[in-house]
Amino acid sequence: SAVISQKPSRDICQRGTSLTIQCQVDSQVTMMFWYRQQPGQSLTLIATANQGSEATYESGFVIDKFPISRPNLTFSTLTVSNMSPEDSSIYLCSVEGAGAHEQYFGPGTRLTVT
Amino acid sequence: QKEVEQNSGPLSVPEGAIASLNCTYSDRVSQSFFWYRQYSGKSPELIMSIYSNGDKEDGRFTAQLNKASQYVSLLIRDSQPSDSATYLCAVATSGTYKYIFGTGTRLKVLA
Repeated sequence: SAVISQKPSRDICQRGTSLTIQCQVDSQVTMMFWYRQQPGQSLTLIATANQGSEATYESGFVIDKFPISRPNLTFSTLTVSNMSPEDSSIYLCSVEGAGAHEQYFGPGTRLTVT
Repeated sequence: QKEVEQNSGPLSVPEGAIASLNCTYSDRVSQSFFWYRQYSGKSPELIMSIYSNGDKEDGRFTAQLNKASQYVSLLIRDSQPSDSATYLCAVATSGTYKYIFGTGTRLKVLA
């Protein structure tokens, strides 16, 4: 499976600021995904990011709040904008796997907003 | 609202026993089903994928799918303390990567 890295691994940010999370894969992949896992809860898909097209956002998530870039087949960024304490969460990127519709997850970014 | 439901647990089993984890889903057009293991503070790790009715075995793990009853289960044989984790069920609609995750079942294997 692909090796996925995320930066930063964790951060503490102040309310009203923005944080950009990077996701790097060691092989070319068409589809990358961004998830949020709030404390004690399961994963929720934020958006799907395909290279060469605009990200597709899920209900409840908007581009102004979570802008995503996908400049090439091995890299993507997710920005959490104008943060509030409610944005405190783990943010994970994932990529398509070898099997039909399988996904592999990066190590995650633990964000705390104060 | 498409839903995936799991018992949150904790499910406690003695070492060496079989752990049985269950998941039900509401969307009948779901076609792809996945089990992930998530250790505390770590990201989910794919254990099994299953697409057809019946059983699929991989080592100590067996995934079972029954589309008519809309449930998928994971059996862990010879459970070890290292299997203690939260197990997440994920379901994808036909032809998509759009996962819906259950809330997970916390498994505790007692030494």
